[in-house]
Amino acid sequence: GAVVSQHPSWVICKSGTSVKIECRSLDFQATTMFWYRQFPKQSLMLMATSNEGSKATYEQGVEKDKFLINHASLTLSTLTVTSAHPEDSSFYICSALRSDTQYFGPGTRLTVL
Amino acid sequence: EDQVTQSPEALRLQEGESSSLNCSYTVSGLRGLFWYRQDPGKGPEFLFTLYSAGEEKEKERLKATLTKKESFLHITAPKPEDSATYLCAVQAGSSASKIIFGSGTRLSIRP
Repeated sequence: GAVVSQHPSWVICKSGTSVKIECRSLDFQATTMFWYRQFPKQSLMLMATSNEGSKATYEQGVEKDKFLINHASLTLSTLTVTSAHPEDSSFYICSALRSDTQYFGPGTRLTVL
Repeated sequence: EDQVTQSPEALRLQEGESSSLNCSYTVSGLRGLFWYRQDPGKGPEFLFTLYSAGEEKEKERLKATLTKKESFLHITAPKPEDSATYLCAVQAGSSASKIIFGSGTRLSIRP
């Protein structure tokens, strides 16, 4: 149990375009999901907390207008990187909260050319 | 300020050579300490949650322990497939389910 999926697993886009990443909890409902970013050989950095039916809570330094988060159902949260630039290239990972434990998706590798 | 420090940064062991990874923390009111395993290019895989000092949990060759200041992940007779980065994370009392990750220990097991 506690399976979380992400789609796509990797994406390449041109600078200036927007990219949407989906995070789904497959076998449980998640009121709360989280979005992280991970640079090579570094640990996970929390970007925002996504709550179903309400606005996301962003960490300090994360631009809410650039990283749009929508949590429209108990099994789906989406992260949209708007007007992507090469510096947004990274590994994005989501997690879903179940009984005080975060279960992570497999991650999405974003490359912005 | 809540902090999590993992050591060593990297560890290379021979197959069968047991060892321990350390996670030291300073948080205001620990609600839970988590251990995850992460393989390259993948998301973290949940291993254990520990809630109070003295608690221990085991899974195959792994055993996690917790004190008031640190947690250890003991690896007994490791195999090459245990090679991965092991991440420790803590949830503080006021964090509303957020967790703070340590920088991880990269474990490599040679056959």
